Amino acid sequence: GENVEQHPSTLSVQEGDSAVIKCTYSDSASNYFPWYKQELGKRPQLIIDIRSNVGEKKDQRIAVTLNKTAKHFSLHITETQPEDSAVYFCAANSPRNSGNTPLVFGKGTRLSVIA
Amino acid sequence: EAQVTQNPRYLITVTGKKLTVTCSQNMNHEYMSWYRQDPGLGLRQIYYSMNVEVTDKGDVPEGYKVSRKEKRNFPLILESPSPNQTSLYFCASSYGGRVTGELFFGEGSRLTVL
Repeated sequence: GENVEQHPSTLSVQEGDSAVIKCTYSDSASNYFPWYKQELGKRPQLIIDIRSNVGEKKDQRIAVTLNKTAKHFSLHITETQPEDSAVYFCAANSPRNSGNTPLVFGKGTRLSVIA
Repeated sequence: EAQVTQNPRYLITVTGKKLTVTCSQNMNHEYMSWYRQDPGLGLRQIYYSMNVEVTDKGDVPEGYKVSRKEKRNFPLILESPSPNQTSLYFCASSYGGRVTGELFFGEGSRLTVL
């Protein structure tokens, strides 16, 4: 089955700097790669996702890049703000003939933005 | 309001006392799933269901049971809870079908087994 590795486990940046979180996956059939943000004491929420037919996707200060050949994808946050402080999870699916497939999550990255 | 509702939100119980964590969604989603979250281990899938009466094991199913008798409900059952099941549990749902889509999470249920 799918295995997702996420690095780093913790990341501290100064406000205004950029943050990058990287993930690798093992199943070459995976075609959906979302990123979730979990603020302290809250539920995970989707912030951006990418499908395998594109290499990059942007939404304001966040972007995700995908390298299918190398089987890795990354989250980029520019001009970080204190409210970006949270745990971020990457995930990948494992397509099967039966249809919608479970997501396998990375272990998470705790991002701290220092004002 | 579209939502996934879990109950109870907090529970302290003792080893061996059967308990059920309920999950209900009002978005007509086909796909539902249970995850547990432990420090340093991320979100690990316990069970999932692609539709009514269709359930399958995730990565850590031992000690848990589920059922999907109705589309909106997906309860998680701990027949004989043990301390290693102390964790934060999340129910989640999505539209289903052949294309994986956004997972909507409930608020979480924090379980302590003494």
